[in-house]
Formats: sequence, C-alpha cells, structure tokens
Amino acid sequence: DQQVKQNSPSLSVQEGRISILNCDYTNSMFDYFLWYKKYPAEGPTFLISISSIKDKNEDGRFTVFLNKSAKHLSLHIVPSQPGDSAVYFCAARVAGGGNKLTFGTGTQLKVEL
Amino acid sequence: DAGVIQSPRHEVTEMGQEVTLRCKPISGHDYLFWYRQTMMRGLELLIYFNNNVPIDDSGMPEDRFSAKMPNASFSTLKIQPSEPRDSAVYFCASSFGLSGGTNYGYTFGSGTRLTVV
Repeated sequence: DQQVKQNSPSLSVQEGRISILNCDYTNSMFDYFLWYKKYPAEGPTFLISISSIKDKNEDGRFTVFLNKSAKHLSLHIVPSQPGDSAVYFCAARVAGGGNKLTFGTGTQLKVEL
Repeated sequence: DAGVIQSPRHEVTEMGQEVTLRCKPISGHDYLFWYRQTMMRGLELLIYFNNNVPIDDSGMPEDRFSAKMPNASFSTLKIQPSEPRDSAVYFCASSFGLSGGTNYGYTFGSGTRLTVV
C-alpha cells in the first residue's frame, strides 16, 4: 500500500521555466512533509519541508504548497536550472510516529537548455 | 563531520551467498534507518533504530534479512542467502530525534548498489 504517491515518474522543463512536482498521500495522520533531491550515485539530500499547520513554505527558488483537504502537496522550482535535474522524492511523517519517514517513488526532473 | 558512511559502494555476489552492508551514522544522531531503493517502490524503509535499539522492522522483506546496531557508531544489514530480487540500492540514513534538529530531515549515505547474479 503506497501511502505517498508520485504519479509522474518523469518531468521535462525548459531552463528558466517553472517546474511543478506533485505528490499525493492517503494517510490523514501525516503531519510533516519533506522533499528530497537525489543525484545519480549519491544519497538523497534534504531540500525543503512543511508542517501540516501551514499551507506554504518558501526557500529561495523552492516553494512547497500543501493542500490538506486534497491530501496533495507540490514543489515549485522557479526558475528551473540545469543543475536542478535530479530525482525528487516526496516524504511524510506520521504524528507521533517517531522519526520514521514514508517516501514516494520519485519523479525524475530534467531541465533542458 | 564526514557524513553517513556506507560500505561497500558496490557489491556483486552470486545467488545464495551472504552479503553484509555497513553503515557509520553521523556522530550524535540517535536514529538510524535502512532503506532500499527500487524503481517500482521508490525508497522503502526496511528497519530503523533509536539509540541502537530496533524500533520497527516491519519493512524487512523476509527472514533472510537481518540488521544490527551494536553501538552508536555502526550498523550492519545482512542478507543470507541472497537472491537476484534483492538487487537494489541500499541506503543508510541517520537523524536527530524529535527533540533535536528543526526539520526532522535525514542525512543519507551514498548507498550500496547490490547486484545478485
């Protein structure tokens, strides 16, 4: 049972444009959400997070939006740069569930020149 | 800090052989996680430890998989006997507990790419 879903395995965007990566979840007990970025042959690295009490969190070119009623979150990258080409994982934590994170299957973003 | 250190980076083994993956977490982190990455399931949690004690091993696929954390600076994931379907990238990650850190984010190692032939 995939509680965190990233339905788009890949996304291609032109440099300078906006990249929007989507993530849906099914567990209403999730209270904290994170995005990780992964380059080939490296481990995932933390990118940005959002608490369930907020609907938006911004950090430079990266903004995460949370729509709790739809159980949906998205990561916006503006403007997209070639160095953003990577696999992006959405992750979520259950309230009171310790530090355990449930990850999605990832979306491969390719930013083209 | 050198980050989370995993070894080996690559492992090729024959079906039926024992495989041991190793992890050194970041000093001071009290949580350690083992994940497996596959195309179909993404990053899948196998087991995690808190203060060296296994807390949740419900993700360990079969009895062929076992994990230990004898001290705060070392953990192993063992597969015995290995099978071709175990081929994947295995990641170790560590983190502070809820009382530490501000984003509950993990620090991942670079992973071990396991190929069982």
